[in-house]
Amino acid sequence: EDQVTQSPEALRLQEGESSSLNCSYTVSGLRGLFWYRQDPGKGPEFLFTLYSAGEEKEKERLKATLTKKESFLHITAPKPEDSATYLCAVQPTGNQFYFGTGTSLTVIP
Amino acid sequence: DAGVIQSPRHEVTEMGQEVTLRCKPISGHNSLFWYRQTMMRGLELLIYFNNNVPIDDSGMPEDRFSAKMPNASFSTLKIQPSEPRDSAVYFCASNTGDEKLFFGSGTQLSVL
Repeated sequence: EDQVTQSPEALRLQEGESSSLNCSYTVSGLRGLFWYRQDPGKGPEFLFTLYSAGEEKEKERLKATLTKKESFLHITAPKPEDSATYLCAVQPTGNQFYFGTGTSLTVIP
Repeated sequence: DAGVIQSPRHEVTEMGQEVTLRCKPISGHNSLFWYRQTMMRGLELLIYFNNNVPIDDSGMPEDRFSAKMPNASFSTLKIQPSEPRDSAVYFCASNTGDEKLFFGSGTQLSVL
C-alpha cells in the first residue's frame, strides 16, 4: 500500500535557525514527489517537484532533496513569513497523488 | 488566470440536510480532483475525473457522497444526508498532463 509519512508533526524555530522537514514514502513506483505550502484558510500552494533520487530543487530559503525512500525540505535561516504547514505528496503512477499529514512550521521572531 | 474557484467558502448545515459543493477548474485543465482535509487524516482523495469522466471514486466514503462533472468547467460534490462526521475542509484541484495540482481555497463544512 502506498504510504507517505511526514515528520515532525510540528516544528518551532527561532528566526534564523535552520532545520529540515522529512517525508518518507513507500510506493510501488514513483513518478514524482511534490512539496506544497499551505497557509491557514487557504489551499495548498505548489513549491517543488522531484523526479529521481539525487535531485535537488531550490527556491529562496527552501531546498528540497530526494532519495529512494525519503525527501527532505531544508529551510535555511527561516523568517516568520515561512510559517505555514508544509505538505509532501507522492505520485506513484498515472494521475493520482497521495499526501502526508504535513508539518506545521512556526518561526518565532 | 483566476485559479480554481470553489463555492461556498463556508457552509454550516444541520444533520440530515443535503449539501452541495461547487468547483470551477482552471481553463484548459483536463483533470479534476476532490479532496477532504481533516486534522487526523490530512488530505484524502475522494474522487478524480479525467476529461469529465470519473476515473477513481474509491475514496468516496459511502453512498451518501456523489460527484458529477457535467462539463469541463464545472463539478459538484454532493452529500445527502449530511452527518456531523462529514465536517471537514473540502478542496477541489485541477491539473493537466499529470503535472502538479492547483488547489482552490476550499469549502469549510460544518454539520451540526
